[in-house]
Amino acid sequence: GAGVSQSPRYKVAKRGQDVALRCDPISGHVSLFWYQQALGQGPEFLTYFQNEAQLDKSGLPSDRFFAERPEGSVSTLKIQRTQQEDSAVYLCASSLASGLVAGELFFGEGSRLTVL
Amino acid sequence: SQELEQSPQSLIVQEGKNLTINCTSSKTLYGLYWYKQKYGEGLIFLMMLQKGGEEKSHEKITAKLDEKKQQSSLHITASQPSHAGIYLCVADTGNQFYFGTGTSLTVIP
Repeated sequence: GAGVSQSPRYKVAKRGQDVALRCDPISGHVSLFWYQQALGQGPEFLTYFQNEAQLDKSGLPSDRFFAERPEGSVSTLKIQRTQQEDSAVYLCASSLASGLVAGELFFGEGSRLTVL
Repeated sequence: SQELEQSPQSLIVQEGKNLTINCTSSKTLYGLYWYKQKYGEGLIFLMMLQKGGEEKSHEKITAKLDEKKQQSSLHITASQPSHAGIYLCVADTGNQFYFGTGTSLTVIP
């Protein structure tokens, strides 16, 4: 498709289980962002990639969270030993630009994670 | 998304000029959030509006939500280079969040 694609759309995990969330950005987009959005709140920044380089991971809440983008296109957000507080919608966004102005952001529909 | 229209997509203004960004929802909103994002940074929360007719201001930025709670505007008075970035509206319809596509603002000194 022409937009940012995320999978799975919905994921239910038992506490302690590992999960992997995938983001397919728009082809050619240099910048890729992950956000976490808890119920009733706005999205919170997790991490940012420029091509394959993870330039900012300051928003990752703990060392259980890991993100990668090995070939500069598809990105995976991995959460190890999930906890109930990890329940949220995980949003991915991509942007064509990589210069001083980030450019228009295109968001995926999100992956809704529920940890029981 | 079709549920939330944000305009304009980009804006280039001279320092000192006023500007307005709009977000229009196809649904009545429980809340409308405005965010700003600079390059390589996360979304910075600006304001949240929940009541019809509500208006909030922070420094030179004012956001309004119309009486029907379907349209919001963000107004910057006397823009400065520090205002440059992407402005994003996020709509809360009660059971889902929708995101505008962002407005890229450049302020020329």
